[in-house]
Amino acid sequence: SQQGEEDPQALSIQEGENATMNCSYKTSINNLQWYRQNSGRGLVHLILIRSNEREKHSGRLRVTLDTSKKSSSLLITASRAADTASYFCATDGSGYSTLTFGKGTMLLVSP
Amino acid sequence: DGGITQSPKYLFRKEGQNVTLSCEQNLNHDAMYWYRQDPGQGLRLIYYSQIVNDFQKGDIAEGYSVSREKKESFPLTVTSAQKNPTAFYLCASSGTGLNEKLFFGSGTQLSVL
Repeated sequence: SQQGEEDPQALSIQEGENATMNCSYKTSINNLQWYRQNSGRGLVHLILIRSNEREKHSGRLRVTLDTSKKSSSLLITASRAADTASYFCATDGSGYSTLTFGKGTMLLVSP
Repeated sequence: DGGITQSPKYLFRKEGQNVTLSCEQNLNHDAMYWYRQDPGQGLRLIYYSQIVNDFQKGDIAEGYSVSREKKESFPLTVTSAQKNPTAFYLCASSGTGLNEKLFFGSGTQLSVL
């Protein structure tokens, strides 16, 4: 399986702090994606990083990718209570394949 | 508004009953997917379809069936053969190139009576 595994499983921080989540995966990939899920809702795509990219930014999000270590990190800067959600990484395989999701990190941001 | 719509939001199944979950998209996407999510778990792929009239089994297809008669629609039937159907079911769609992102519906919570 090329499933990504997020770490930590849960993270609790105060508003204004930064939140860092990590993802490890097992096989070669074309890209790695991060999604967000509010409780009881569908997932929303946050950011995609290709295998030949090392870092990508989108607003308060920063994603890094280290293909030699088969790992990625998602950094949310200056977090807000509204960032409270579960965050999932998803990987495809080389060639065409479907996305495989990890178990997610639950982020709680307290006011 | 473009998007992907799942219905119903909540569904209850009796013993031995088949139930069908609806998924419709107006994003003109060729590919559609069904995922199952159990509490505290990630998403597991049930079935996917890359084109009309064709679909493939995912990792946990046993006890489920699908059809893809129209590009916009990808219904999932949870059959009586699925002994542990209680879960949150998510439908998604995407293009079929490399580096495509998934667009998700808001999910259906299925429970057993």
